[in-house]
Amino acid sequence: QKEVEQNSGPLSVPEGAIASLNCTYSDRGSQSFFWYRQYSGKSPELIMFIYSNGDKEDGRFTAQLNKASQYVSLLIRDSQPSDSATYLCAVPINSNSGYALNFGKGTSLLVTP
Amino acid sequence: DTGVSQNPRHKITKRGQNVTFRCDPISEHNRLYWYRQTLGQGPEFLTYFQNEAQLEKSRLLSDRFSAERPKGSFSTLEIQRTEQGDSAMYLCASSTRQGVLNEQYFGPGTRLTVT
Repeated sequence: QKEVEQNSGPLSVPEGAIASLNCTYSDRGSQSFFWYRQYSGKSPELIMFIYSNGDKEDGRFTAQLNKASQYVSLLIRDSQPSDSATYLCAVPINSNSGYALNFGKGTSLLVTP
Repeated sequence: DTGVSQNPRHKITKRGQNVTFRCDPISEHNRLYWYRQTLGQGPEFLTYFQNEAQLEKSRLLSDRFSAERPKGSFSTLEIQRTEQGDSAMYLCASSTRQGVLNEQYFGPGTRLTVT
């Protein structure tokens, strides 16, 4: 089973700051990485995915991938209290499962006003 | 709202009873996934359908669990003889892309409580 590790947090940042969420993975052959946001009591919501080394930006979100070090991160610029949620990192399992996702346990983010 | 719907949203049942959940994916999505999520954990993969064919079941899917997608549209997940350990959020996701860039969109989930 491919392992996906995340610090459970909570990570607390002040409003307007940059939140940095990290994820490491065990399978060096993993090709793509997904970030989901999950509010308490709700289902996961796709934020973005990345598959190439380097940065990928989408609005206030930037995903960073370093395959040599086997980590992927999510930066949230100008953090808002509405960003307070659990952020899940996920890696596709394999083709047999239709590339179903293997999720980490998530990092809880708290943005304080 | 992703366009994936699930019913019921909440289910409370007594141990030993059977329950059935329904998932309606986004209409053009031919791939459908069931996951289970417990408190403090990420979603865990249960099973995968491509159109009407169930192509993969995880080891988490015990003999008490069965899933169908009869016409390649909606799907049902049935749990027989429920146990307290079955209490969880059951999530359905759908997608249309193939390969590792498989963006999956989740429904709101069905929260099961077994008393």
